[in-house]
Parts: sequence; C-alpha cells; structure tokens
Amino acid sequence: SQKIEQNSEALNIQEGKTATLTCNYTNYSPAYLQWYRQDPGRGPVFLLLIRENEKEKRKERLKVTFDTTLKQSLFHITASQPADSATYLCAFSGGYNKLIFGAGTRLAVHP
Amino acid sequence: GAGVSQSPSNKVTEKGKDVELRCDPISGHTALYWYRQSLGQGLEFLIYFQGNSAPDKSGLPSDRFSAERTGGSVSTLTIQRTQQEDSAVYLCASSRTGTGGLYNEQFFGPGTRLTVL
Repeated sequence: SQKIEQNSEALNIQEGKTATLTCNYTNYSPAYLQWYRQDPGRGPVFLLLIRENEKEKRKERLKVTFDTTLKQSLFHITASQPADSATYLCAFSGGYNKLIFGAGTRLAVHP
Repeated sequence: GAGVSQSPSNKVTEKGKDVELRCDPISGHTALYWYRQSLGQGLEFLIYFQGNSAPDKSGLPSDRFSAERTGGSVSTLTIQRTQQEDSAVYLCASSRTGTGGLYNEQFFGPGTRLTVL
C-alpha cells in the first residue's frame, strides 16, 4: 500500500542553523508533494508544493527538493528562528485531490 | 475573508451516542475534505466532496461514519454509536477546485476534538 514516512523523532537545532526534514515514500509515484506546517491545537497550513518534474522549489527561507529516483523529499529552513518551531507534515497526491499525509516531524529551534 | 470554520471545537460524548461535526468551507471552494488525526499521528483521509457529491469515500472507517454536503457549502460528518477508538481530532479542509485541480493547496479548519468516554 502507499506509504509515506517522516522521521518521528523531534529535530532540535540552534537558532540560525539550517533545519532539514526528510520525507520518504514507497509503493507510489506521486504527481506532486506538498509540505504543511502544524502548530499545536491548529489545522495544518500549506507551505510549498513541488511537482514531480521539478527538482527544487524555494520560498523565502524555505526550500523543498523532490527526488523521484530516491522517492524522497527534503524540506529545508535556512536561518531558522524559534518561531519556526512546529510540526511539519509532508503529503502526496493519492488520486483526485486526496492527500496522503506523513505523521510529521516536530522541529524545535532553540535560541 | 473568513477561513474554514468547524464546530464544535470540542465535543465530549458517551460511548454509543451519535455526534455531528460541522464544517463551513471557504466561500467558493468546490472541494471539501474530512480528515482524522489521532494523537501523534498523521492525518487520515476520510472523505472528499466535489460540490455536493462524494466521489471518494474510501477513508470512512466503518458504516457508522457518514457525511453530507448541502448547497455546495456546509458539510456535516456524523458518527453513529460512537466508540472510544473514534476519539481524535477531526479536521476539515477545502480547496478551490476538485478534479483537474490536482495542484491546489488545501485550507484547513482548526478541527473538532472528539472525546468518547
């Protein structure tokens, strides 16, 4: 079955460093991947979308890569700030507009 | 404009009771989705609406779960004879288009936290 995996362990980094989160998928070839941010007690908020024919997408301090050979997407936050602390979810298309989500990785940026 | 709203924000019920959860999508969004999120888990897809019809109900976990959407707007998720394993946060999302709009981002509501005692 389609499966999407994110590192379940929290990622702790120092302010100013680059945070890198990993999303791996199996048994599927998605047309696109999306990344969302989720704060406690709130619904996810869309950040970036990358299509299968795109290698990299950037938005301000965010960068996403999509490697269809490795079946992996990397999400980078450069010059991280404590306000970036949240859970980050990756999701891929599962038919129609249906999204299949990973469990998310919690990021903690320390001053 | 207003975002996606959901009500109630919290619902505590007894095992065996029925509950209704409501979602008001962003005006003009034709696609609407329901997801369920258990503690520490990712989002589990439940059902997708395009307009008032549901082309994908594949995520509904049992026949105790049903959903409807009227007027291409408000949606209600109903859980009959609730069980303790139904306890979770139920999230609703909407997006601008359905089929053919594969690349549209989804806008999520704040969720309804359901606790079944």
